[in-house]
Amino acid sequence: QQQVKQSPQSLIVQKGGISIINCAYENTAFDYFPWYQQFPGKGPALLIAIRPDVSEKKEGRFTISFNKSAKQFSLHIMDSQPGDSATYFCAASISGNTPLVFGKGTRLSVIA
Amino acid sequence: GAVVSQHPSRVICKSGTSVKIECRSLDFQATTMFWYRQFPKQSLMLMATSNEGSKATYEQGVEKDKFLINHASLTLSTLTVTSAHPEDSSFYICSARSTSGPYNEQFFGPGTRLTVL
Repeated sequence: QQQVKQSPQSLIVQKGGISIINCAYENTAFDYFPWYQQFPGKGPALLIAIRPDVSEKKEGRFTISFNKSAKQFSLHIMDSQPGDSATYFCAASISGNTPLVFGKGTRLSVIA
Repeated sequence: GAVVSQHPSRVICKSGTSVKIECRSLDFQATTMFWYRQFPKQSLMLMATSNEGSKATYEQGVEKDKFLINHASLTLSTLTVTSAHPEDSSFYICSARSTSGPYNEQFFGPGTRLTVL
């Protein structure tokens, strides 16, 4: 049973556009939701994370939006650049103390 | 801060040999480290949770006698793939959990590409 569903599987965005990746979770005990960026042949890098006590968190061009009632959260990449082309994973855990449950990933391609 | 290293980054070995992969947290202490396996174009699959000074907890379906995990210090965990076979070829990634921040963030190493001939 997949506990974190991520969509879309792949995404192509024009340079300067907004990339939006969505995740939905099932376990209401989850209270820590990070996003990771992974380049080919590299380990995932923590981008940004959110707890349910806020509905939005912004760091530079990256924003997480969180909807607790819908059990959904999303990553927005503003002014997308070719260097943002990577695979993005959403994840969830309980207070950061349990192993992360990952979505299946979204392969983002930003084209000029 | 929050740097995790892995060594080696790439290893090629013959079938039947054992391979050890090291995971180090360079600038923080990690009582808990995790080992993942990732196949091409797939998500990360948790193999085991490694706690300093105690036995690792393996996920269902992961052979603990084949994938030996040792977490002997607060900055080092090792994964040994014993009697490796071609089906063990994969990208192995470790992560370390930092308890210094508010979220107990997990930071990942750069990964180790294992190829078994």
